[in-house]
Amino acid sequence: QVQLQQWGAGLLKPSETLSLTCAVYGGSFSGWYWTWIRQSPGKGLEWIGEINHRGSTNYNPSLKSRVAISVDTSKNQFSLNLTSVTAADTADYYCARMSPSCGSASCYSGDYWGQGTLVAVSS
Amino acid sequence: DIQMTQSPSSLSASVGDRVTFTCRASQSMSKYLNWYQQKPGKAPKLLIYAASSLQSGVPSRFSGSGSETDFTLTITSLQPEDFATYYCQQGYSRPYTFGQGTKLEIK
Repeated sequence: QVQLQQWGAGLLKPSETLSLTCAVYGGSFSGWYWTWIRQSPGKGLEWIGEINHRGSTNYNPSLKSRVAISVDTSKNQFSLNLTSVTAADTADYYCARMSPSCGSASCYSGDYWGQGTLVAVSS
Repeated sequence: DIQMTQSPSSLSASVGDRVTFTCRASQSMSKYLNWYQQKPGKAPKLLIYAASSLQSGVPSRFSGSGSETDFTLTITSLQPEDFATYYCQQGYSRPYTFGQGTKLEIK
């Protein structure tokens, strides 16, 4: 059974850097895109970006200048850094496993998710 | 970016009812459409992938259909645990995008 467990600071001040980490337990770490998604009342669900086990990344252009996703294959973990946060970055942040292709069991879909981390940005 | 539009934004129904949600894409995207269910305080749960394939472990009362720009999610014989918010997500091109959700409430 695959489980994703995430953690990180929940309260930030404007201009600080958001840092979250997600650990993957069970299943294979390779063959998937490890993804960050956030959810806010104003913008709904927003795909932030993804990384595979080789370190290949894709980012949402709307956040690309501030986002970095990294991976530590020795620990089966991946991390999100978002710089220069503002109140607009206040959201629930989720890590998820997403399929990199369309096959018999998935299709660019998120089948396992972390529990979510509420990140609030306030002075 | 592909814009995903869901309708209605909310829906009231009773246990045992059949309900249908709609998701429309701003451009043609073959079958690369997924549906999720989300309950308050929880992460989204994958129900349907590739427009019509049922995720393992999801009850068969959930079904999906559609292609290109128009997709539907149907729940037959609503159960109490089905009252939640439902989202569509396109996997056709990055950045992946989600619809704004349809909230299913108890009548």
